[in-house]
Order: sequence, then C-alpha cells, then structure tokens
Amino acid sequence: DAGVTQSPTHLIKTRGQQVTLRCSPKSGHDTVSWYQQALGQGPQFIFQYYEEEERQRGNFPDRFSGHQFPNYSSELNVNALLLGDSALYLCASSPGLGDYGYTFGSGTRLTVV
Amino acid sequence: GENVEQHPSTLSVQEGDSAVIKCTYSDSASNYFPWYKQELGKGSQLIIDIRSNVGEKKDQRIAVTLNKTAKHFSLHITETQPEDSAVYFCAAFKPHGSSNTGKLIFGQGTTLQVKP
Repeated sequence: DAGVTQSPTHLIKTRGQQVTLRCSPKSGHDTVSWYQQALGQGPQFIFQYYEEEERQRGNFPDRFSGHQFPNYSSELNVNALLLGDSALYLCASSPGLGDYGYTFGSGTRLTVV
Repeated sequence: GENVEQHPSTLSVQEGDSAVIKCTYSDSASNYFPWYKQELGKGSQLIIDIRSNVGEKKDQRIAVTLNKTAKHFSLHITETQPEDSAVYFCAAFKPHGSSNTGKLIFGQGTTLQVKP
C-alpha cells in the first residue's frame, strides 16, 4: 500500500517564477494538508483541503494557493517565488478532518535562486 | 496564541543510554500530541502519540508523558540504538473552532545522535 507520494523530489526555480508541487494521498485518505519546513525549523501549516475545498489556512500570503482533485490528490502552487520560499514542502494526508492518522510524504525540496 | 517550544535542539547520547526531549505548548485547546521521526528521504514517521485525557503512553522503548496543567509533554527513548539517530519533532493538534478539524503545530525539532 503506497503511502503519500510527492513530486518532484527536488527542483530549482528562479525568483519571480511559479511552481507547482503535487501530492497523492495515502489510499483511503481524503484530506490533504500542506506544510513548509525551512532549514532547521519545524513544519509550518500552509493550508488544508477536503472535498476539493480549502478548509483552513495558515499565515501564508495569497501567492500560495492550492487545489484538490476529485481523486483526493492535491497541488500546491506558489507564484512570484522569493528566495525565502526555499524550503522542504511536506504533504500530509489523513482520513478526514480530525487529528487521526496523519501520514506525511517525503517532501519536495524547493530551492529558489 | 499557537506555539510549541521544543528542547533541546541537539542531543548526543551513548548507545544504550536514555534520551529525553521536552515540548511546551501554548494553546490550552490542544488535545492531541504526536511525535514524528524525520529521516532523510523517508519522510516524517509517527512514532507515538498521546491524547489529552491520558498522562502517559508507552510503546516498547518509547514513551510519552503529558502534563496538561503545565502544558508540557515529553518523549522518552530508552536503550537508545544508532538507528534512533534522526530529527524528532513534537506537535500539538490545535482544533479549529467548534468543528472537528484543526492543524498540527510543530516544535522546532531535536537532532538526536546516538553514538555507537
């Protein structure tokens, strides 16, 4: 049973560009949350998707947007990239909106130059 | 506010010794406290968790204690092994309003090194 799959694993972008990160949740999970983990820091909550809608949002600017598809997979989009957006982006899926069963992917390492 | 403080940031122990990592949370509404082990290329794996109606939970060499009054919770690893070396994160689940949803608030992480 595949866990949470994220793609790509690494990518390098230039300031001002746009990036899309992808996440496939664990089988049986319908909720996806995205986190940003800066180097040496703990993950910070970006937003959460359930039933193709954004249910919660952390303290991130509108440059960060997302989408959830009918098959529960999700995308994270970041526009107008800044150097400070360089981080590990983690996707977590869960079976519903509660606290139970969060499963994390290995992340996408984004470097903005 | 919502904040989780984690200490120490680095911890080095000899194989066979015990390791303790401590966290403090600020939001009294937090009701679920998981611990994750993060290794390069393996993602963040849940190793143990505890709910606010329980004071202690143990799973083989790993235990977690919770002091809800003081808003403290701790991870205890006994008989440490080199394969325990990793970055450990504590987290507190903060409920969102009156719904059953919420989000995980993470500590800053502890890099544990177990020396053979």
